[in-house]
Amino acid sequence: DAGVIQSPRHEVTEMGQEVTLRCKPISGHDYLFWYRQTMMRGLELLIYFNNNVPIDDSGMPEDRFSAKMPNASFSTLKIQPSEPRDSAVYFCASSWAGGEPQHFGDGTRLSIL
Amino acid sequence: DQQVKQNSPSLSVQEGRISILNCDYTNSMFDYFLWYKKYPAEGPTFLISISSIKDKNEDGRFTVFLNKSAKHLSLHIVPSQPGDSAVYFCAASATGSWGKLQFGAGTQVVVTP
Repeated sequence: DAGVIQSPRHEVTEMGQEVTLRCKPISGHDYLFWYRQTMMRGLELLIYFNNNVPIDDSGMPEDRFSAKMPNASFSTLKIQPSEPRDSAVYFCASSWAGGEPQHFGDGTRLSIL
Repeated sequence: DQQVKQNSPSLSVQEGRISILNCDYTNSMFDYFLWYKKYPAEGPTFLISISSIKDKNEDGRFTVFLNKSAKHLSLHIVPSQPGDSAVYFCAASATGSWGKLQFGAGTQVVVTP
C-alpha cells in the first residue's frame, strides 16, 4: 500500500524565495496534518485539514506560511518569502478518522541559505 | 510550554533485555496517548496507543502503561532487538482536540549486541 508521499525530499534555496512543499495523503484518509521538526522545538503541528477544510492553523508560525488542500489527494505548504530560520524537516501525515493514529510521510528537509 | 516531556534523551540496552521509555505530561485534559518510532531520514511510524480509560495496552513485544494520577506513561519493549534502535516519541491529545498531537522531544534507543 502506498503511504503518505511528500515531495521534494530535499530542498535548498536562497532566502527570499518561495518554497512549496507537496503532500499526497493515503487514499481514503480524511485528515491531513503538516508538522515541522527542529532541534529547538521538536515536532510541532502547524495545521490540519478535515475533508479538505482547514480545521486548526494555530501552529502556523507567521503569515509567510500558508497551506492549501484543493482536493482529497493533494496538499501544499508554502513559505513566501522564506527565511533561514524556516530551515527544518517538514512532515505531512494523514489519518482516516478522528482519534486514529496518524501516518507520516518521510518528510522534506528544507534548507534556506 | 512543553506539555509532554521525555526526560531521557537516550537509552542504551543490551539485546534481549527490556527497554523502558518514560513520558510525563502536564495537561490533565489529555486522554489519548501514542508512541511513535522514528528511523533516520524517515517519518515517525505509529507503534502503540492507549486511551485514558485503560492503564495498559499490549501489542506483541510492546506494552504501554498509563498512570493517570501521576500523569505518566511508559513503553516497555521486551525483548529488545537491534532493529529497535531508533528515536521513540511519546505523543498526547485531548478529546475535542484529538488532531492536535503534542509530541515529546524523543528518546534515542540503542540496542547493543
